[in-house]
Amino acid sequence: SAVISQKPSRDICQRGTSLTIQCQVDSQVTMMFWYRQQPGQSLTLIATANQGSEATYESGFVIDKFPISRPNLTFSTLTVSNMSPEDSSIYLCSVGDWREQYFGPGTRLTVT
Amino acid sequence: QQQVKQSPQSLIVQKGGISIINCAYENTAFDYFPWYQQFPGKGPALLIAIRPDVSEKKEGRFTISFNKSAKQFSLHIMDSQPGDSATYFCAASMKRNRDDKIIFGKGTRLHILP
Repeated sequence: SAVISQKPSRDICQRGTSLTIQCQVDSQVTMMFWYRQQPGQSLTLIATANQGSEATYESGFVIDKFPISRPNLTFSTLTVSNMSPEDSSIYLCSVGDWREQYFGPGTRLTVT
Repeated sequence: QQQVKQSPQSLIVQKGGISIINCAYENTAFDYFPWYQQFPGKGPALLIAIRPDVSEKKEGRFTISFNKSAKQFSLHIMDSQPGDSATYFCAASMKRNRDDKIIFGKGTRLHILP
């Protein structure tokens, strides 16, 4: 299984600002996923990021709010733009495929 | 139709007992059913998984039982230990045309009493 790191591990941000979360994998992977997990809740897929193509966003998530970059096979970023308190959540990246996914430790975001 | 319903929301079991978590799905296009274990402050970790052509899969103290006709599956943790205390998520996945899709249940917070 891949080793995945995320930066930052946590942050407190003011409303209206943006935060970029980094996800680094120790091996080359085709597919990377970004999830949101609100406290005590389940995981909701934000988007799927394949290297060399535009990210595919799930219903309810838009590129203007959550732009994603995937510059190579080991790295991706998720930006949370124009933040509001409703964006307070844990953001997780994962790698894998439709059968099995491996998750990073998450980024805990608090918007004040 | 894309939901995975998980129960109970929370569960308390005595050490040495059997923990049982249940999940149900509607979409028959799902063809892989993993379980994830998440400790506080960590990302979910794949625990065990099953395909719908198998009725049971066992790995150590963890067993998945799968009922295809009822569209239900469950996780059994035998001889539950305090170290098993975590949140467990069932999931259902399928391969789509361009991208993969996995749907998670809402999670079960399991606490094993010492």
